[in-house]
Amino acid sequence: SAVISQKPSRDICQRGTSLTIQCQVDSQVTMMFWYRQQPGQSLTLIATANQGSEATYESGFVIDKFPISRPNLTFSTLTVSNMSPEDSSIYLCSVRARSNSPLHFGNGTRLTVT
Amino acid sequence: GQQLNQSPQSMFIQEGEDVSMNCTSSSIFNTWLWYKQDPGEGPVLLIALYKAGELTSNGRLTAQFGITRKDSFLNISASIPSDVGIYFCANRPNNAGNMLTFGGGTRLMVKP
Repeated sequence: SAVISQKPSRDICQRGTSLTIQCQVDSQVTMMFWYRQQPGQSLTLIATANQGSEATYESGFVIDKFPISRPNLTFSTLTVSNMSPEDSSIYLCSVRARSNSPLHFGNGTRLTVT
Repeated sequence: GQQLNQSPQSMFIQEGEDVSMNCTSSSIFNTWLWYKQDPGEGPVLLIALYKAGELTSNGRLTAQFGITRKDSFLNISASIPSDVGIYFCANRPNNAGNMLTFGGGTRLMVKP
């Protein structure tokens, strides 16, 4: 299965700042997704990162708040913009190598906003 | 709609005990997936079910795809401390697409 590296693994950020999270995969994958896991909660899909075009956002998430890039088949970034304490969560990158292959996750970025 | 209702929310058991958790929905699904999330890590796929009535094992874990296609069960036999973590059921919304929707999770704690 694909090896997924997320950076940073954790960060503590000030309110009003922005943080960009990187996701690097060791092989080309068809699909890349970004999930959010709020404290003690389940995983919620933020968006699908599309290579070379704008990401597809789920209801409740917008590009201005969570801009996403995917320049190629192995790399994506998620930015959490103008952060507030409510953005404190674990942000997880996930990938699917091919259409029907299993969904694999990175270890996540634990974000705390003070 | 596509909500996955997972229970129990948490369990605190003695090492060696068996564990059972389930996931239900008002929707019919073509697959059921079970993931485990260890502390500080991302979820890892444990078992995938593709057929109503299917019973699949992975070591001490056994999962079943309900006959109605609206539910699934995960059992862990003879629990050990490393079984600690959060277990999630997951499914594809509308049985299509490449993203997953997750249940609320069952947090398992094992007392040695």
